[in-house]
Amino acid sequence: AQTVTQSQPEMSVQEAETVTLSCTYDTSENNYYLFWYKQPPSRQMILVIRQEAYKQQNATENRFSVNFQKAAKSFSLKISDSQLGDTAMYFCAFLGSSYKLIFGSGTRLLVRP
Amino acid sequence: GAVVSQHPSRVICKSGTSVKIECRSLDFQATTMFWYRQFPKQSLMLMATSNEGSKATYEQGVEKDKFLINHASLTLSTLTVTSAHPEDSSFYICSARDREGAGETQYFGPGTRLLVL
Repeated sequence: AQTVTQSQPEMSVQEAETVTLSCTYDTSENNYYLFWYKQPPSRQMILVIRQEAYKQQNATENRFSVNFQKAAKSFSLKISDSQLGDTAMYFCAFLGSSYKLIFGSGTRLLVRP
Repeated sequence: GAVVSQHPSRVICKSGTSVKIECRSLDFQATTMFWYRQFPKQSLMLMATSNEGSKATYEQGVEKDKFLINHASLTLSTLTVTSAHPEDSSFYICSARDREGAGETQYFGPGTRLLVL
């Protein structure tokens, strides 16, 4: 069975600085997708970034980028120029052949002014 | 694009009553919708997968007779919590898989907070 592990329950970063959130996963599948979702206090789940496993190039979306290491089964999220609005819970998620999203336990990120 | 709505956003009901939650994909067709439950400060737990025109598939430990799911059209799925009890109080979130989109992305509704007294 696939598992997703986020080892950092909480992180804190100064506004305008860079922070990296860690995520590792376990799977025997070769083709899959990885996601980072953001859940602010409103509790609306917002897609931050998506990575297809068959693509070697790391995905980027403006200030958000990932470091995808397929062999190591690692998928970290880097947030550059952190903004107060980035304060939220961040979930790493895996999607394999079952088409069911498997979430990590989440990392609570606080951006300090 | 890719907007999913949920209604109601918040509901309070008495123990023993049934509550229906609607999930709609507003600007795309969703052959598959998913229902999650989230307890405070925890991750999302998948309850069931809802496919248009067929019976829902429930995760292990989820009572299908208690959580009735109907997916009558490509844009609407409903979750009915039957004979609700206080332990059913939780945050329920739906998501929809974009039939035409790429990357197998699920888009989430804003959630429904259920409180059973």
